[in-house]
Amino acid sequence: GAVVSQHPSRVICKSGTSVKIECRSLDFQATTMFWYRQFPKQSLMLMATSNEGSKATYEQGVEKDKFLINHASLTLSTLTVTSAHPEDSSFYICSAQGAGTKNIQYFGAGTRLSVL
Amino acid sequence: KQEVTQIPAALSVPEGENLVLNCSFTDSAIYNLQWFRQDPGKGLTSLLLIQSSQREQTSGRLNASLDKSSGRSTLYIAASQPGDSATYLCAVRHATDSWGKLQFGAGTQVVVTP
Repeated sequence: GAVVSQHPSRVICKSGTSVKIECRSLDFQATTMFWYRQFPKQSLMLMATSNEGSKATYEQGVEKDKFLINHASLTLSTLTVTSAHPEDSSFYICSAQGAGTKNIQYFGAGTRLSVL
Repeated sequence: KQEVTQIPAALSVPEGENLVLNCSFTDSAIYNLQWFRQDPGKGLTSLLLIQSSQREQTSGRLNASLDKSSGRSTLYIAASQPGDSATYLCAVRHATDSWGKLQFGAGTQVVVTP
């Protein structure tokens, strides 16, 4: 099956710093990538959808200036949490899909962000 | 707006029993429905995907049914094992969503005791 790699798996940072999370499709071209956020004991909430080469579309309530998404190539999307604060601590998961996956989403392993 | 609900929120069964997990959705105009497994602190593993035109899908001990008109799907896991302990999520894709966005339920946390 298709493989999506997400890095880092865990990051701890100080309040006010920025953190970048990478999401890579290893064996297919991901025309669309999705970024989700998951709080403990809760489900995944879609933050934004990104299509290669165009600006990301953010869900209502998600600050686009705080969560910067870049999808510059067909295999890589990045999420940058700018000026992170403790309330940004969460589990972030990406997924990717493309024609090669018959537009089925494949998920990364997630990134646990802890902001001190 | 589509709402996806999973009942029960948590379930504990002894090894060998069959598991029945329920998922309901409010908007029947779906493209497909997918069941995932999530282990603690991990990403999602896709278990079964049912297209809107299908009634069920099977993979090994897993069987998922779909009744689109009533907005329900059920995941059956036969002869449960301790390794089946995880959180199970269902997600629906709306029929008119060209990007394939998924709407997730909150999940059912399953514990299978030896």
